[in-house]
Amino acid sequence: EAGVAQSPRYKIIEKRQSVAFWCNPISGHATLYWYQQILGQGPKLLIQFQNNGVVDDSQLPKDRFSAERLKGVDSTLKIQPAKLEDSAVYLCASSPGTANYYGYTFGSGTRLTVV
Amino acid sequence: AQSVTQLDSQVPVFEEAPVELRCNYSSSVSVYLFWYVQYPNQGLQLLLKYLSGSTLVESINGFEAEFNKSQTSFHLRKPSVHISDTAEYFCAALSSGGYQKVTFGTGTKLQVIP
Repeated sequence: EAGVAQSPRYKIIEKRQSVAFWCNPISGHATLYWYQQILGQGPKLLIQFQNNGVVDDSQLPKDRFSAERLKGVDSTLKIQPAKLEDSAVYLCASSPGTANYYGYTFGSGTRLTVV
Repeated sequence: AQSVTQLDSQVPVFEEAPVELRCNYSSSVSVYLFWYVQYPNQGLQLLLKYLSGSTLVESINGFEAEFNKSQTSFHLRKPSVHISDTAEYFCAALSSGGYQKVTFGTGTKLQVIP
C-alpha cells in the first residue's frame, strides 16, 4: 500500500511569513496526526483528527497554527506568522482505527527552517 | 500524565556486538508501549509494540523488547547489530482507557561502528 505522503520535503522562510504543509494519509485510515519534531527532541503532537473532526488540539499554538482535514482525507497545516522557534520537522501520521494502540504510519516529514 | 524517559541520547556500538537501548515510563494506569525507528531523512517506522500478553515482543529484523511492569521499563535489545541498524530509536507510551495520547521519548541515536 502507498505510504503517508507529505509535501514539500523542505521549506525555508523568513520569520513573520506564512507557510503551509500538505499530508495525504494511507487510504482508509480514519485518524490523522500532525507532530512537531524539534531537533534533539521527540515528536510532539500538535493535532489529531478522526475523520474530519478534531480529537485533540491542546498543544497547537492556535494564535499562529491552524489545520484542517476536509472530507476526512487530506490535511493541511498552516503557520501564520512563523517564528524562529517553529524551525522543526513536521510529521504527518495516520492510523487505521480510532484507538491509538494500532501504531502509526508516518510520512517522511517537512523540514521547516525559519530565518 | 504519562512520561517516557530515554536516558541515553547516543549509543555507539561495534558491528556484531549486542546493544540495549533503555526506556522507562511513568504512568498511573496501564500502558501500551512502542518502539519506533527513524532512519536518516525518513519518517518514523513502527518497530514493535507491547499491548498485552507475553512481555517479550520481537520485530522482524532481530530486535526485541521486554515489558517490565515492576521496573516500569521497556528496553530494546539486539544480540548482534548491523551497520544498517544505524538510526534513531524512539520509545513511546500510550495510556489505556479514556482518550489516549501517545507520548514519545527524546530518542536514542544508535551508531554502529564497522
